[in-house]
Amino acid sequence: RKEVEQDPGPFNVPEGATVAFNCTYSNSASQSFFWYRQDCRKEPKLLMSVYSSGNEDGRFTAQLNRASQYISLLIRDSKLSDSATYLCVVNGAGTYKYIFGTGTRLKVLA
Amino acid sequence: GAVVSQHPSRVICKSGTSVKIECRSLDFQATTMFWYRQFPKQSLMLMATSNEGSKATYEQGVEKDKFLINHASLTLSTLTVTSAHPEDSSFYICSARDLKTGSGNTIYFGEGSWLTVV
Repeated sequence: RKEVEQDPGPFNVPEGATVAFNCTYSNSASQSFFWYRQDCRKEPKLLMSVYSSGNEDGRFTAQLNRASQYISLLIRDSKLSDSATYLCVVNGAGTYKYIFGTGTRLKVLA
Repeated sequence: GAVVSQHPSRVICKSGTSVKIECRSLDFQATTMFWYRQFPKQSLMLMATSNEGSKATYEQGVEKDKFLINHASLTLSTLTVTSAHPEDSSFYICSARDLKTGSGNTIYFGEGSWLTVV
């Protein structure tokens, strides 16, 4: 089993739609969780950290479910500019190693 | 946010030659930097963890003699791909963690380096 797993997609959604991604992780001792966004042929950029209580930043909501070992990202009112690959990142327990999922590709259609 | 600069952004080299990629933290000190490789349509794969003033820690399957890492200062780590071959062509990207209190565990990425070996 991969340490971090994501559905690669692509998710094709119309503008204005709500879309959600999940990411599962295998190490129950993992402590830090993030969502990064990566545009084609660019470096990943931090979208948001994921806190135990869940957190929201504008149209984006991230949640953590430790019992089931997954994190989620919800995007409301999708914009064309949201088209990108969304990477789930988990901090390996007790280390500074960050493990990346394969990414979920999102295409928002006009 | 913190800034990490990577250079060169693109490089083409001949098979058998060596290529050096630099990663700098511009406005913070980074005792630890990470080197990743990303093949097309794949995820970032951690190659090694670069530790300032000590030897790098390589991930399983990564040849330390082929991918030389030097972290001589708190703001600079270099990755040298030695005796490059076409299969080494990839997107190499570094990241660093800002250890300043309050920065959390966020890591910041350099812009990445596209290596093409011909």
